[in-house]
Amino acid sequence: KAGVTQTPRYLIKTRGQQVTLSCSPISGHRSVSWYQQTPGQGLQFLFEYFSETQRNKGNFPGRFSGRQFSNSRSEMNVSTLELGDSALYLCASSLSNGVPLYEQYFGPGTRLTVT
Amino acid sequence: AQTVTQSQPEMSVQEAETVTLSCTYDTSESDYYLFWYKQPPSRQMILVIRQEAYKQQNATENRFSVNFQKAAKSFSLKISDSQLGDAAMYFCAYRDGAQKLVFGQGTRLTINP
Repeated sequence: KAGVTQTPRYLIKTRGQQVTLSCSPISGHRSVSWYQQTPGQGLQFLFEYFSETQRNKGNFPGRFSGRQFSNSRSEMNVSTLELGDSALYLCASSLSNGVPLYEQYFGPGTRLTVT
Repeated sequence: AQTVTQSQPEMSVQEAETVTLSCTYDTSESDYYLFWYKQPPSRQMILVIRQEAYKQQNATENRFSVNFQKAAKSFSLKISDSQLGDAAMYFCAYRDGAQKLVFGQGTRLTINP
């Protein structure tokens, strides 16, 4: 079974631009979560989607948004990029978001650099 | 808000020896899950071990085991017979009904041959 895939793997953008990152979960998984990893702030939760609905959201500004499609693929969008948005963005998928707790499987990440 | 603290930014151990990574957390919930994730230089996060808070028995996975002290809110990871492939960043993480993972700052583990 294929793992979680994220595209693109690397991205360089300029301040003020917007960017869209994509995540394809493991086949059959319906929950997708996004995390931002930076040297200063560590790993921080962005949001979680289940069955095309945002179920949970972290403490990020409205410039960060996401969505999930009927095939469970998810995208996150960052508008008006700032230098501080440079980070590794990780996507994780799991079978469900309820109980029992299913393991989250992580993708390889998208490295975003904002110049 | 739940917090996870890893007080050891870096640890090193000789190959074949045992090392323990520390983690403490803060929560008012009674039902939750704790995890240790490994992140090698490839940046791929890999689940090492998980512990359900309602289980008193400490989880083990081959050379990896935990010491879960619920009252003290402590969750340490012991790696026995350390191997070169164990070198990585290790993250302690917490998850409850809010469904999101809360991570510690990480411990960089170096294995000396």
